[in-house]
Amino acid sequence: GAVVSQHPSRVICKSGTSVKIECRSLDFQATTMFWYRQFPKQSLMLMATSNEGSKATYEQGVEKDKFLINHASLTLSTLTVTSAHPEDSSFYICSAMSTQSSYEQYFGPGTRLTVT
Amino acid sequence: AQRVTQPEKLLSVFKGAPVELKCNYSYSGSPELFWYVQYSRQRLQLLLRHISRESIKGFTADLNKGETSFHLKKPFAQEEDSAMYYCALSGGSNYKLTFGKGTLLTVNP
Repeated sequence: GAVVSQHPSRVICKSGTSVKIECRSLDFQATTMFWYRQFPKQSLMLMATSNEGSKATYEQGVEKDKFLINHASLTLSTLTVTSAHPEDSSFYICSAMSTQSSYEQYFGPGTRLTVT
Repeated sequence: AQRVTQPEKLLSVFKGAPVELKCNYSYSGSPELFWYVQYSRQRLQLLLRHISRESIKGFTADLNKGETSFHLKKPFAQEEDSAMYYCALSGGSNYKLTFGKGTLLTVNP
């Protein structure tokens, strides 16, 4: 149990376009999901906390207008990278927190975004 | 501010040797500490957390508040332990995780 999926697994988009990444908890409800960014050979950096039914909480230095987060249901959060630029190219990982499992975070497989 | 330090980027041991992956943290309150593991081409998964005091796959970690450390240990490393290991800290009620930079463990035959 406790599986988290992400779609797409990889995406290539042109500079200036927007791209949406989905994060789903497949077999549990998650009132809270987290979005991370991972640069090559570096650690995961928390971008924002996504709360179902309310606005996301962004970490310092993360532009909320550039990285739009929507958590419309207990099993789905989306991250939209707006007006993407090459420097947005990265590996984006989500996690979903299960309140049924001592608030453990379950991670998705990640999405590789390449902006050309 | 909370911070997690993993001083070793790479660690290489031989099969059957003991292994210790170091983790130090900085946090003003009472933190919860975790070890996550990422095997090749797989997603990040929880290995153990200090509050459960479990031994998973032969790994243990003890929280030392005096030294602000949470080192991961295994007495006899196996080849299948080769992976990237991340130490993480959660403080407060928001459950946010702060990750260390990770240590790539290679267990040689």
